[in-house]
Amino acid sequence: GNSVTQMEGPVTLSEEAFLTINCTYTATGYPSLFWYVQYPGEGLQLLLKATKADDKGSNKGFEATYRKETTSFHLEKGSVQVSDSAVYFCALTLSGSARQLTFGSGTQLTVLP
Amino acid sequence: DAGVIQSPRHEVTEMGQEVTLRCKPISGHDYLFWYRQTMMRGLELLIYFNNNVPIDDSGMPEDRFSAKMPNASFSTLKIQPSEPRDSAVYFCASSFQGPETQYFGPGTRLLVL
Repeated sequence: GNSVTQMEGPVTLSEEAFLTINCTYTATGYPSLFWYVQYPGEGLQLLLKATKADDKGSNKGFEATYRKETTSFHLEKGSVQVSDSAVYFCALTLSGSARQLTFGSGTQLTVLP
Repeated sequence: DAGVIQSPRHEVTEMGQEVTLRCKPISGHDYLFWYRQTMMRGLELLIYFNNNVPIDDSGMPEDRFSAKMPNASFSTLKIQPSEPRDSAVYFCASSFQGPETQYFGPGTRLLVL
């Protein structure tokens, strides 16, 4: 079946540090890949996406590259801010399949001033 | 648009009582999803609708849970009877022409005593 595996958290960084959150996937076919973010007390919101191999999604300084050879979609940011503290979810969907997102377990990020 | 609207935002009830959660999706969206989020189990998809028709309810925990979407602008998730293990945050999300870009509501925090 389809699944997403994220690095376990929590992750704690100092402001301006470099961030990487690992995400790998298993899918039958060629999925589209997503990162969603959940700020405290809120619902999830789409952060970025990539729909085919070698695509790079980017938004708000975050980036992730769709790597088919390693089945990965790692999230990176060069300099995190306190306001980036949130839970980050990697997800996938397959066209033509049951139309739903498969989410990873989420990674809690805390950025300290 | 006001975004996805959920009510109530918080619900405290006693075991055995009926609980009804409500959701108003973004106007024009044709997909609606109900999720449950707990610390132990993470984010779980309960059911989703396309054009008001339930497509996949395999995530509904048991017969105590039911969901309806009588029209394009309203959906309910009902738990009857409620149990303490149903305590969670329940999210409604909607999307247009596919599950990729979902817009989440703020969630209903349910506590069953």
